[in-house]
Amino acid sequence: KQEVTQIPAALSVPEGENLVLNCSFTDSAIYNLQWFRQDPGKGLTSLLLIQSSQREQTSGRLNASLDKSSGRSTLYIAASQPGDSATYLCAVHSSASKIIFGSGTRLSIRP
Amino acid sequence: NAGVTQTPKFRVLKTGQSMTLLCAQDMNHEYMYWYRQDPGMGLRLIHYSVGEGTTAKGEVPDGYNVSRLKKQNFLLGLESAAPSQTSVYFCASQRQGFMNTEAFFGQGTRLTVV
Repeated sequence: KQEVTQIPAALSVPEGENLVLNCSFTDSAIYNLQWFRQDPGKGLTSLLLIQSSQREQTSGRLNASLDKSSGRSTLYIAASQPGDSATYLCAVHSSASKIIFGSGTRLSIRP
Repeated sequence: NAGVTQTPKFRVLKTGQSMTLLCAQDMNHEYMYWYRQDPGMGLRLIHYSVGEGTTAKGEVPDGYNVSRLKKQNFLLGLESAAPSQTSVYFCASQRQGFMNTEAFFGQGTRLTVV
């Protein structure tokens, strides 16, 4: 059974810092991995999708990496801003038709 | 582009009442999902569908039923609501296949059972 873990559960950093969010999964037989952002009381916004054959994806200040063999993905946020404050969710497309989520990292950027 | 639309956005039910949550997508996606999100537990898969007329159980299916009579709609039913079903419900859709198959989510339905 696929399990997805995100550490830390919460993170607070001052504005301007670079930071890394971690996601690990137990079954390396994945199709792809997707990072989402969720603002309080809102839905999920897709940030990056990494195919299983890829090592990383970049969008603006965000860079996501994938290491299938070790069951890990990281989301790197450069030059953090207060507007980056949100919960970040990692989701693994683990088998036909199933997407398994981690419990998220709540990020707070201090001005 | 409407994307994935959930109806209603908020609802309060009394214990034992029934209701149906509607998810509609206009992207011609084959796969659709229903999740619930509870504090500290992330999103958990309730039921999913790989195409019109098909449904399958996810991680936490008890107390829920689903139907996919039309490709664009995925309905989640609560026959006899319980306080434990108080949650935020999210619907998602995804194109069939495993390349570039980004999942798209609705804005959620906040359900309170009293």
